[in-house]
Amino acid sequence: SQQGEEDPQALSIQEGENATMNCSYKTSINNLQWYRQNSGRGLVHLILIRSNEREKHSGRLRVTLDTSKKSSSLLITASRAADTASYFCAYDRGSTLGRLYFGRGTQLTVWP
Amino acid sequence: GAGVSQSPSNKVTEKGKDVELRCDPISGHTALYWYRQRLGQGLEFLIYFQGNSAPDKSGLPSDRFSAERTGESVSTLTIQRTQQEDSAVYLCASSPRPLSDYGYTFGSGTRLTVV
Repeated sequence: SQQGEEDPQALSIQEGENATMNCSYKTSINNLQWYRQNSGRGLVHLILIRSNEREKHSGRLRVTLDTSKKSSSLLITASRAADTASYFCAYDRGSTLGRLYFGRGTQLTVWP
Repeated sequence: GAGVSQSPSNKVTEKGKDVELRCDPISGHTALYWYRQRLGQGLEFLIYFQGNSAPDKSGLPSDRFSAERTGESVSTLTIQRTQQEDSAVYLCASSPRPLSDYGYTFGSGTRLTVV
């Protein structure tokens, strides 16, 4: 399969804690992106990291990329109940006309 | 429009009937993508449009599935002789150009239920 793989499949934490989700992939990539999905509907783009970048921040989000290990992580700091959602990584292989390959997602539940 | 618009938001159809799903991308976005998401699963690529041509339709699961796009505007995904395994959320996304550094903008999807 060319899909990415997220780990863990499900994560349950208390408000204020940090949440870390991991993503592994199998090919070379152009960039890797993280998306959020509420209630099985449309996905919202969160952050993009290019293959020549190692770390990127956006608000409470921190993304790292290790191309040697073909893995990425998404850290959400000081989580809130409103962060409850599914989180997907997706990567762009660069040679496939903009097609993104999505993982199966991590279901994050943040308890108040 | 301000975002990607999909219609209908929900569709229940009888097995064997044809359905047509519509996607209105963001104005000026040349790249348009269709994905399918079965319950609890990740996104399965169906087809990609650049303008009104489809350079990558490798994800269409069978010849019952077809899609077209008018210029750099509306796209329709048609499923003929629907089967129960076609039940899923069908998601459309657009981006300013392929290999965009800005990610995709997704619509809210069409939830298709085949009974």
